[in-house]
Amino acid sequence: GENVEQHPSTLSVQEGDSAVIKCTYSDSASNYFPWYKQELGKRPQLIIDIRSNVGEKKDQRIAVTLNKTAKHFSLHITETQPEDSAVYFCAASPVKAIFGAGTRLFVKA
Amino acid sequence: EAGVAQSPRYKIIEKRQSVAFWCNPISGHATLYWYQQILGQGPKLLIQFQNNGVVDDSQLPKDRFSAERLKGVDSTLKIQPAKLEDSAVYLCASSWDRRAHGELFFGEGSRLTVL
Repeated sequence: GENVEQHPSTLSVQEGDSAVIKCTYSDSASNYFPWYKQELGKRPQLIIDIRSNVGEKKDQRIAVTLNKTAKHFSLHITETQPEDSAVYFCAASPVKAIFGAGTRLFVKA
Repeated sequence: EAGVAQSPRYKIIEKRQSVAFWCNPISGHATLYWYQQILGQGPKLLIQFQNNGVVDDSQLPKDRFSAERLKGVDSTLKIQPAKLEDSAVYLCASSWDRRAHGELFFGEGSRLTVL
């Protein structure tokens, strides 16, 4: 079955810097790759997603890149702000959504 | 649009007791998921329903966990008997896409503490 690995587990950046979180997956049948943000005590919420027929997608300060050959995808957050502090989860879906272990992002003001 | 509703929000039980969690998905969403999220970890899929049929329950500990989705709408997840390691947040999610190729809408979760 699908296995998703996510790195780093913790990331601390200065406000205004960029943050990059990377995920690898194992099942070549996966063709949908969402990213969720979970603030402390809250539910996970989708922030961006990408499908396998696209290499990159951008939405304001966040972007996701996908390399199907290498089976990895990344989340890029530019001009980070304190409100970006949260846990970010990647996921890969062949038929069911399998989540990574999460990255706790701290943005220091 | 109403979101995914879950209850109870919090539950504390002794080990070997039983507990049940309820979920009402977003209207029209055919696919319903139960995830277990242990503190500091990512959500782990327990079971996925398509309408009232099970798509995947390979990670559900069937000796103690059971789930049903009557009439393809509400769902109940039951644990009997509970173990200490079942302490977690149980997240229900729903989506319109039957293959999890679209956004999952999560409920607030049910936090279980087993003493």
